[in-house]
Amino acid sequence: QVQLVESGGGVVRPGGSLRLSCAASGFNFSTYGMHWVRQAPGKGLEWVAEIWYDGSNENYLDSVKGRFSISRDNTQTTLYLQMNSLRDEDTATYYCVKDGRAEAVTDYFASWGQGTLVIVSS
Amino acid sequence: DIVMTQSPESLAVSLGERATINCKSSRSVLYRSNNKNYVAWYQQKPGQPPKLLIYWASTRESGVPDRFSGSGSGTDFTLTISSLQAEDAAVYYCHQYYNNSPHTFGRGTKLEIK
Repeated sequence: QVQLVESGGGVVRPGGSLRLSCAASGFNFSTYGMHWVRQAPGKGLEWVAEIWYDGSNENYLDSVKGRFSISRDNTQTTLYLQMNSLRDEDTATYYCVKDGRAEAVTDYFASWGQGTLVIVSS
Repeated sequence: DIVMTQSPESLAVSLGERATINCKSSRSVLYRSNNKNYVAWYQQKPGQPPKLLIYWASTRESGVPDRFSGSGSGTDFTLTISSLQAEDAAVYYCHQYYNNSPHTFGRGTKLEIK
């Protein structure tokens, strides 16, 4: 079955950097678009970034453009999120999310990892 | 951006009764070429990631009990739980994927058992 396991979260000071990873298994990773969705403590869901199945296109939430970078390694079936210039408001649990359909331009979120917590604090 | 306005913020329903959650998009999420509404619904229980319940506004995900149903078209959508069970207590979110930059969610509805 689909497994998405995030890692790399932790406590970082404002202005610092962090790289999240998501190890994927149980499906043909190279044919599915992938996303990062975050949830601040006690708050709702906020989509952060997406990358197409072949890595040819990326989209970002306006507030993270220029600071965050999504990437993938289809040979290692791993998704990444490089987060730079972190701010207090980036504090959240970050979920790795898989599209529902292969090679979709846009899609619903079929599978979610357990999440990794990022705390930005001085 | 497409804004998803979800209501109510919270509701309490008795076991066996019907629960209804609404979601209104700021513009149509019906794609004319395939006649599909790009709306999904998720359930999130405390300490767990969200779980997909409904996609294309009314298609139930495999394994989801048939007491969960989705309806609506264009800008107005509804998630209905026909006969509430204790395990349905959770927060529910709607999501539009018509515009993928950005994807947007409703603010969530907290469903409690009365």
